[in-house]
Amino acid sequence: GQQVMQIPQYQHVQEGEDFTTYCNSSTTLSNIQWYKQRPGGHPVFLIQLVKSGEVKKQKRLTFQFGEAKKNSSLHITATQTTDVGTYFCAGASGSARQLTFGSGTQLTVLP
Amino acid sequence: DAGVTQSPTHLIKTRGQQVTLRCSPKSGHDTVSWYQQALGQGPQFIFQYYEEEERQRGNFPDRFSGHQFPNYSSELNVNALLLGDSALYLCASSLVGSTTYNEQFFGPGTRLTVL
Repeated sequence: GQQVMQIPQYQHVQEGEDFTTYCNSSTTLSNIQWYKQRPGGHPVFLIQLVKSGEVKKQKRLTFQFGEAKKNSSLHITATQTTDVGTYFCAGASGSARQLTFGSGTQLTVLP
Repeated sequence: DAGVTQSPTHLIKTRGQQVTLRCSPKSGHDTVSWYQQALGQGPQFIFQYYEEEERQRGNFPDRFSGHQFPNYSSELNVNALLLGDSALYLCASSLVGSTTYNEQFFGPGTRLTVL
């Protein structure tokens, strides 16, 4: 079945540093979504990417979808303490209604 | 505009028991998906309900079953509980789309502990 791998598993950064998490799928994706889960909370939708090579920005967050639609990345510029949490990518293949989540990257921002 | 609600918030059961978890989707949504999230892991897809039918199922045994009601709310039932069923159970609602998988709105989850 489809597998989605995410690296790194953990990342500690000093406030103000940049952060990147990478997502790789074993199969070609029809779309990929990114979610953020704060400690003790539930996943909150950030963005969806659909097109090959797509790049989207949300303030300090930049999301990319690979040309082959098998990988994606999330980059945060100048991290803040409010960025703390676990970032998950989640992909869907073909017409499947099933989202496969990566294992997440837990971000800690040190003040 | 009410978001996704789930009940109960916490539940403790013993092995072999049965449990029912409930979910009310976000207003205007018609699709409900259930996920199991073990500690330190990403959510794992259990199944999705639309128009009161299960239309997609993940790799979970038949002990996991569900139902969707005419008002779009949903239940997740787990029979013959195992210790390994201890997890956070998340419900997510969405509005069915034509081609792309839509944004999932997650509820706060039900924390199930099996002793």
